[in-house]
Amino acid sequence: GDSVTQMEGPVTLSEEAFLTINCTYTATGYPSLFWYVQYPGEGLQLLLKATKADDKGSNKGFEATYRKETTSFHLEKGSVQVSDSAVYFCALSDQGRGEGGSYIPTFGRGTSLIVHP
Amino acid sequence: DTEVTQTPKHLVMGMTNKKSLKCEQHMGHRAMYWYKQKAKKPPELMFVYSYEKLSINESVPSRFSPECPNSSLLNLHLHALQPEDSALYLCASSRGTASSYEQYFGPGTRLTVT
Repeated sequence: GDSVTQMEGPVTLSEEAFLTINCTYTATGYPSLFWYVQYPGEGLQLLLKATKADDKGSNKGFEATYRKETTSFHLEKGSVQVSDSAVYFCALSDQGRGEGGSYIPTFGRGTSLIVHP
Repeated sequence: DTEVTQTPKHLVMGMTNKKSLKCEQHMGHRAMYWYKQKAKKPPELMFVYSYEKLSINESVPSRFSPECPNSSLLNLHLHALQPEDSALYLCASSRGTASSYEQYFGPGTRLTVT
């Protein structure tokens, strides 16, 4: 079945450091890939997505490229801020399920990012 | 308006109580979801509604009962819960259930069962 593997956290960085959070996936078809972020006390929100191979998703200085050959979707940011401290979830949608074939995201375990001033 | 709202924000209930969680969106989305999230874990899918019909029930105990009165509203009725049901309950919506559609999440209801 589908699965998403994320690097274990927490990732602790100083402000303005470079960020990479690794994400690899296993899927039988051609999945869409997502990064969601969850700030403390809030729900998840979409950070970026890519729907086909070699697509690059970007938002708020974060980027991730859909690499089919390495089945990866690593999240990067050139200079993190304290306000980026949150939990980041990599997710994929691949196979339809249930009545009507709903595509339900499979989430990774989440990676906590802590940024110090 | 790209917001999903949930009420209440916090709920404390005894094991014999009956309560309901509410979720609303006005984005015209045709799919709505309930998730349960425990601390430091990813969300776990509970139910999916597509075009107001229950599409997926992830073998959730019957003490949780979902309802979709119309395309904008989603309820989760709670009855005779257990302490292990204490968690953050997240509602989400999406344009549809195709693989490329992202989900929009509400802020959640923090449920404590005593």
